[in-house]
Amino acid sequence: DAGVIQSPRHEVTEMGQEVTLRCKPISGHDYLFWYRQTMMRGLELLIYFNNNVPIDDSGMPEDRFSAKMPNASFSTLKIQPSEPRDSAVYFCASRAGTGLGEQFFGPGTRLTVL
Amino acid sequence: AQRVTQPEKLLSVFKGAPVELKCNYSYSGSPELFWYVQYSRQRLQLLLRHISRESIKGFTADLNKGETSFHLKKPFAQEEDSAMYYCALSGNSNSGYALNFGKGTSLLVTP
Repeated sequence: DAGVIQSPRHEVTEMGQEVTLRCKPISGHDYLFWYRQTMMRGLELLIYFNNNVPIDDSGMPEDRFSAKMPNASFSTLKIQPSEPRDSAVYFCASRAGTGLGEQFFGPGTRLTVL
Repeated sequence: AQRVTQPEKLLSVFKGAPVELKCNYSYSGSPELFWYVQYSRQRLQLLLRHISRESIKGFTADLNKGETSFHLKKPFAQEEDSAMYYCALSGNSNSGYALNFGKGTSLLVTP
């Protein structure tokens, strides 16, 4: 297994543009998490899914952010419209089963909004 | 409320010296704590978890409920230990066991 896959690895866009980040979790994992990492706030949970269903999106900063998981092998995080303060590294992680299974992280997407 | 505090942004030690990365937490229930590491240009990976009481790459961490701490220690640092270290607290089943991270400590081991 290649682990959690994220694309793109780097994204540079202009303010106001739509940005879509993609994640493929490890096969068989039924939890998927999106985190954002910034210098000021560190790593923050944005949203998580269980069996493709969004469970808690209280960490999503604004309505400009949305996330979907149409099937067990794919999730997207969309920002529309993007703003410079959205610049950060966005991580996707997945985990199997119940209890304290290890979370496996993707390599992250570094987003720069000009 | 859950909170994880890593007071040091940067820790620099010489090779062979002992190293301790501090982590304090606040949590109303029974905490489950982890250390994650991110080497240069690599993804975050689990280093160790307190329930396992294991030693990985010479690192250990003991949960001290009285001091609400979970400090990471290694008696003799190696250059390859240079990385970013994150302490994390797991939420409960209501949060899908999502992780609440500290802001991280950058460890630099110099020869």
